[in-house]
Amino acid sequence: GDSVTQMEGPVTLSEEAFLTINCTYTATGYPSLFWYVQYPGEGLQLLLKATKADDKGSNKGFEATYRKETTSFHLEKGSVQVSDSAVYFCALSDRAGGGSQGNLIFGKGTKLSVKP
Amino acid sequence: ETGVTQSPTHLIKTRGQQVTLRCSSQSGHNTVSWYQQALGQGPQFIFQYYREEENGRGNFPPRFSGLQFPNYSSELNVNALELDDSALYLCASSLVTFPDTQYFGPGTRLTVL
Repeated sequence: GDSVTQMEGPVTLSEEAFLTINCTYTATGYPSLFWYVQYPGEGLQLLLKATKADDKGSNKGFEATYRKETTSFHLEKGSVQVSDSAVYFCALSDRAGGGSQGNLIFGKGTKLSVKP
Repeated sequence: ETGVTQSPTHLIKTRGQQVTLRCSSQSGHNTVSWYQQALGQGPQFIFQYYREEENGRGNFPPRFSGLQFPNYSSELNVNALELDDSALYLCASSLVTFPDTQYFGPGTRLTVL
């Protein structure tokens, strides 16, 4: 079945460092791809998304490009801040899994800690 | 515009008991999905409701059941609780025009003793 694999954390960076969190996926169809962020004690917030190959999703300085040839959707940010400390989840929409709207399949999450 | 809300925030139950969790969708959303997030893991899809019918289910046993109401709010019911049911339960709703984009509530933390 469809699946998502993320780089293991935790990732610890200094403020203003460059961030990359790797994400690769396996899917039989053409899923949409997402990055969600979870701050301590909270639910998930949609960070960005891409719906087809070569689309670039971006939000709050974060970017990710849907690469069909490498089945990847790596998250990047040029200069992280302390406030970016959170757990980041890569996900895909599994239309093949049933449901008219598609359910989401998540990776295990990558914890990011940014030090001042 | 009100976001997705869930109640209660926290809940403690004992093995064998039954629990009901509640979710109110974001305004205008007609689809509700429920996810289970074990500690240190990504969320796992339980099931989805669309127009008050179950419309997709993950790999969860029948003791996990749900309802969706005409106002699109939803309930998740779990019978015969087991220790492994301890998790954060997340509800997500989506707009009919953007079906893949799901908006999550803050979750209900269930502890089974």
